[in-house]
Amino acid sequence: KNEVEQSPQNLTAQEGEFITINCSYSVGISALHWLQQHPGGGIVSLFMLSSGKKKHGRLIATINIQEKHSSLHITASHPRDSAVYICAVGNTGNQFYFGTGTSLTVIP
Amino acid sequence: DAGVTQSPTHLIKTRGQHVTLRCSPISGHKSVSWYQQVLGQGPQFIFQYYEKEERGRGNFPDRFSARQFPNYSSELNVNALLLGDSALYLCASSPTGQGYGYTFGSGTRLTVV
Repeated sequence: KNEVEQSPQNLTAQEGEFITINCSYSVGISALHWLQQHPGGGIVSLFMLSSGKKKHGRLIATINIQEKHSSLHITASHPRDSAVYICAVGNTGNQFYFGTGTSLTVIP
Repeated sequence: DAGVTQSPTHLIKTRGQHVTLRCSPISGHKSVSWYQQVLGQGPQFIFQYYEKEERGRGNFPDRFSARQFPNYSSELNVNALLLGDSALYLCASSPTGQGYGYTFGSGTRLTVV
């Protein structure tokens, strides 16, 4: 069993739709990260969370520490949002675990 | 400020050879972590270094080794390359390695033939 599970694995949406990607983890964490990876491999850190909710533009990330669950929401999705979104957790033992990613395609 | 810099960006090696990958962290970051991402999968943790000491190690064979220098840059070394080592190798730096403030480099794409 993976320490970090993401769903869905693949997601196709129409431009303008509201998108939710979910992440569940099984380890004790010091922080949870949402990452964006575009074709070619470069990774951009979108959010780092240890509690509550963060918002940046059209992106919102929430975390429920008790339930060991986080969600990434994209409002008014756009084709440029098409990428792989990865949930990753840093645990208290200095290790870092990644989900397998959610591949998002937004169709114009 | 420059971000996390990795070099080279791409390279091709032959089975059995040795490879060295390099990472320069963001100025002020004292922790560097290395990850392997095989095509179609999420990254897997290889090593974390903080203040030149190994702080964490993933489930990788002894062919993989790393070190961190006094200027906090880091090298990842892989000996006796196998075809299965072909992957994107990502480096991330953070201030302390305590699970926050990670910034990733663009990665080194290694192909073993």
